[in-house]
Amino acid sequence: AQSVTQLGSHVSVSEGALVLLRCNYSSSVPPYLFWYVQYPNQGLQLLLKYTSAATLVKGINGFEAEFKKSETSFHLTKPSAHMSDAAEYFCAVRSTGGSYIPTFGRGTSLIVHP
Amino acid sequence: GAGVSQSPSNKVTEKGKDVELRCDPISGHTALYWYRQSLGQGLEFLIYFQGNSAPDKSGLPSDRFSAERTGGSVSTLTIQRTQQEDSAVYLCASSLAHPGGGTDTQYFGPGTRLTVL
Repeated sequence: AQSVTQLGSHVSVSEGALVLLRCNYSSSVPPYLFWYVQYPNQGLQLLLKYTSAATLVKGINGFEAEFKKSETSFHLTKPSAHMSDAAEYFCAVRSTGGSYIPTFGRGTSLIVHP
Repeated sequence: GAGVSQSPSNKVTEKGKDVELRCDPISGHTALYWYRQSLGQGLEFLIYFQGNSAPDKSGLPSDRFSAERTGGSVSTLTIQRTQQEDSAVYLCASSLAHPGGGTDTQYFGPGTRLTVL
């Protein structure tokens, strides 16, 4: 069984401030973990993924995430928010064996203030 | 094509009517997924195709929902006798789905926004 919890349905930051979006997962086997971004009226776009190589994963648009097994977390960060980062962000988990079906979190809406 | 395409982009229908939603995956992708995204909710898995067969259709919410895939390519999601609670964005994704390839990445289409009046 696998599940994902994204803490906070909305996160508000000022332009230039640190972005931190939280994701905790539950998986009975070592997981693969993903972050996706969804801009208004668009589909989901992959930001980054953890595949059991480096625990610190760098993605597109300056985002990165760190896999912490002891905390079962995969939080997404960006040092300095841009207005263009305003979007919905989804964390997803997939087991390393068997099904290809990932489980998605409910999403976190990132609001960036000028 | 260059990406996953879906049609129509928007569909407004009356309660009780049938609708068909189409997904055209990336060429060469053997796996295809349908999700439903309701307002304020995450992505709800509906069905997964590997080639033309559906190994996992556990997410279909009722027997009013069905899907097929032909030629290992285009897929159609059909909702019969639509209800207002069917209103949502229906997303399609495809992936290479290499067996044992755990890093398989899903590529999403822009979705079809369904509104049932």
